[in-house]
Amino acid sequence: SAVISQKPSRDICQRGTSLTIQCQVDSQVTMMFWYRQQPGQSLTLIATANQGSEATYESGFVIDKFPISRPNLTFSTLTVSNMSPEDSSIYLCSVEDGGWAGENGYTFGSGTRLTVV
Amino acid sequence: GQNIDQPTEMTATEGAIVQINCTYQTSGFNGLFWYQQHAGEAPTFLSYNVLDGLEEKGRFSSFLSRSKGYSYLLLKELQMKDSASYLCAIEPGTYKYIFGTGTRLKVLA
Repeated sequence: SAVISQKPSRDICQRGTSLTIQCQVDSQVTMMFWYRQQPGQSLTLIATANQGSEATYESGFVIDKFPISRPNLTFSTLTVSNMSPEDSSIYLCSVEDGGWAGENGYTFGSGTRLTVV
Repeated sequence: GQNIDQPTEMTATEGAIVQINCTYQTSGFNGLFWYQQHAGEAPTFLSYNVLDGLEEKGRFSSFLSRSKGYSYLLLKELQMKDSASYLCAIEPGTYKYIFGTGTRLKVLA
């Protein structure tokens, strides 16, 4: 199955600053997904990133706040811009793990635990 | 709208069987997933149900009833390492996932 390297694993940031999270996959994948998991909450899909096109954002998430890059088939970044304490969360990237989703599901990165002070 | 409900916490004893339920309200979906998430780690895939019925994978089985809006994950011969959160998720469209808040399972010796 795919292996995802996500970094940083955690960070503490000042409000008003931005943080860029990186995900590197060990194989080429068409779609990459970015999720947020707030404390005690479920995973919420932020956006879907397809190489060569603009990311598709879910309701409640906008490109100005969460710009995404997808320069090639193995890499993506998510930036959390102009941070406020409400952005404190775990951010995870994910890929469809080859073949039919029912066989292997989706693989997740290890997550970035962000605290905004 | 789409809503997924799971119990917040469950406790069971090592060696026992536990059933974690998931109910949902949605107009339609491709399939239903179960994931395991240990504290501080990423979720890992357990199972996927498309059709009604039981899917068995070793100690873990997952059941789906579309007509009843209901799924469960069955864990047999519980081990201490099974202490984790278990997330139910539906796929209402291609590359769309809606996750439940998860059930935190504590396995006691």
